[in-house]
Amino acid sequence: QVQLVQSGAEVKKPGASVKVSCKASGYTFTSYYMHWVRQAPGHGLEWMGMVNPSGGSTSYAQKFQGRVTMTRDTSTSTVYMEMSSLRSEDTAVYYCARVSGPSRGNAFDIWGQGTMVTVSS
Amino acid sequence: DIQMTQSPSSLSASVGDRLTITCRASQSISIYLNWYQQKPGKAPTLLIYAASSLEIGVPSRFSGSGSGTDFTLTISSLLPEDFATYYCQQSYRGPRTFGGGTKVEIK
Repeated sequence: QVQLVQSGAEVKKPGASVKVSCKASGYTFTSYYMHWVRQAPGHGLEWMGMVNPSGGSTSYAQKFQGRVTMTRDTSTSTVYMEMSSLRSEDTAVYYCARVSGPSRGNAFDIWGQGTMVTVSS
Repeated sequence: DIQMTQSPSSLSASVGDRLTITCRASQSISIYLNWYQQKPGKAPTLLIYAASSLEIGVPSRFSGSGSGTDFTLTISSLLPEDFATYYCQQSYRGPRTFGGGTKVEIK
């Protein structure tokens, strides 16, 4: 079945970097854009950016420009989200989400299970 | 960026109640409005896309309406499994912004 499986929880110190993976299966990886969304504890959903698995092009929220990099590996159907210069405010669950396509309003139809990233000294 | 405003931010309701949640965009987004449900400790799931189209497998007690800047999500008769947080999201252009969420609690 169509699914996105993310890497496990991470604990990082302030100033460090983290790289979260999201492995797709059950569909043609290069046919659907992938987005990243995060959710701080007790807060709402925050869009971070997107990657085109076909060509690798990216677009990031202005808030994360210069600090986040989204990449993909077509050989393993995996997208990655790397964030540098971590601070305590980056403590959150990070989700990858597949975009359904224009015929379905470009909604996020498949989500990964989430990866908890904790930033603490 | 397009701002999305949901109301209310929380509400208490009983099983069997009819429920309406509203979402307003800071500019016209045509029908590019999606609704998600999130339960504690779980990833969001898609309920409605393109303002009023029900995602496959979603019960018909859920419905959506609206276009332009004003949208609503309606649950016709609340079931126990519907107590969750609901988010709207615009997919018209630019950053795919979400509303702040509406937490539906048991009265």
